[in-house]
Amino acid sequence: AQKVTQAQTEISVVEKEDVTLDCVYETRDTTYYLFWYKQPPSGELVFLIRRNSFDEQNEISGRYSWNFQKSTSSFNFTITASQVVDSAVYFCALSVSTILTGGGNKLTFGTGTQLKVEL
Amino acid sequence: EAGVAQSPRYKIIEKRQSVAFWCNPISGHATLYWYQQILGQGPKLLIQFQNNGVVDDSQLPKDRFSAERLKGVDSTLKIQPAKLEDSAVYLCASSLDRVGGTEAFFGQGTRLTVV
Repeated sequence: AQKVTQAQTEISVVEKEDVTLDCVYETRDTTYYLFWYKQPPSGELVFLIRRNSFDEQNEISGRYSWNFQKSTSSFNFTITASQVVDSAVYFCALSVSTILTGGGNKLTFGTGTQLKVEL
Repeated sequence: EAGVAQSPRYKIIEKRQSVAFWCNPISGHATLYWYQQILGQGPKLLIQFQNNGVVDDSQLPKDRFSAERLKGVDSTLKIQPAKLEDSAVYLCASSLDRVGGTEAFFGQGTRLTVV
């Protein structure tokens, strides 16, 4: 069974501060995919990034960066120079490649981290 | 490109009543998902369709929940009878296929309140 843990329930920062959201996952599958989604107050989940289990390269996209470490089963997300528009709930999620276990591509989500960026 | 459309956005019903939600996925997406998101929790998969067939409904409370995807496009999720614990946001998502790692696109959800 898959499990995703986001231990930080809520984080508050002042604008322009850097912030890191933690994600720890559990799976017995050797091929899996990790995701980060953003959920603004409007409710829809917005895709941010996907990494597969064979690619541990860190990734940077503008103010966003992700650190994937298989040794610690972590996939952390850092926002540099945070802005008020970054305020949202952020979810880390995991899916496995096999379609033998259920329908395939089922996302297992963490409980989310509420990020509040204040002026 | 139009996103995943859901209706209604909000619904309030009394317990024991029935309710239905509608979802129109992104054109061409073969896989459709219904997730339930209870306040303060992450979304949980209820049911997954591949075209018009069910491929995973292991977490769907089948005594009260049902879903269909006629013609492999639109889908409806029904609850009958509703319980207080069904209060949640119901999110519909779609993806090109069900190969692991395929990006899923989500709708804005239907917020259900059962009183």
